[in-house]
Amino acid sequence: RKEVEQDPGPFNVPEGATVAFNCTYSNSASQSFFWYRQDCRKEPKLLMSVYSSGNEDGRFTAQLNRASQYISLLIRDSKLSDSATYLCVVNNAGNMLTFGGGTRLMVKP
Amino acid sequence: GAVVSQHPSRVICKSGTSVKIECRSLDFQATTMFWYRQFPKQSLMLMATSNEGSKATYEQGVEKDKFLINHASLTLSTLTVTSAHPEDSSFYICSAREGSTISGNTIYFGEGSWLTVV
Repeated sequence: RKEVEQDPGPFNVPEGATVAFNCTYSNSASQSFFWYRQDCRKEPKLLMSVYSSGNEDGRFTAQLNRASQYISLLIRDSKLSDSATYLCVVNNAGNMLTFGGGTRLMVKP
Repeated sequence: GAVVSQHPSRVICKSGTSVKIECRSLDFQATTMFWYRQFPKQSLMLMATSNEGSKATYEQGVEKDKFLINHASLTLSTLTVTSAHPEDSSFYICSAREGSTISGNTIYFGEGSWLTVV
């Protein structure tokens, strides 16, 4: 079983749609969690951290369920510019980042 | 904000030659840097953790004699792909940690380096 698992997609959605991604992790001792965005042939960029209480940043909402060991990302009112691969990232001891395989999102007009 | 610079962004080399990739933290000191590799349509895979002034820690399956890592200063780590082969062609990315505590850490990524071995 992979340490961090994501549905690879692609998720094809129209502009304005709401889309949700889930991610599961296997290490119950994982300490912190993030969503990164990676555009084609570019480096990953931090989208948002994920907190136990859930957190929101504009159209993006991230939630963490430690008991079930999953993380979610909700994108509301999708824009064309949201098209990218979204990486679920788990930070274990020593700041070792483990990346999920990524979920590809394609927002279409 | 903190920036990590990686160079070169693209390199083409002949099979059997060596290639060096540099990763620099521009406005912060990075005691730890990480090197990743990403093959097309795959996720980033950690290759090694580079600690300033000490030997790098390699992930299982990564040949330390092939992928030489040097972290000689708090702002520079280098990855040298020795005797490169076409199967080493990939996207190599470094990241650096700013901060000394787990809760205060932020990870910054370099822009990545595309290596093509012909």
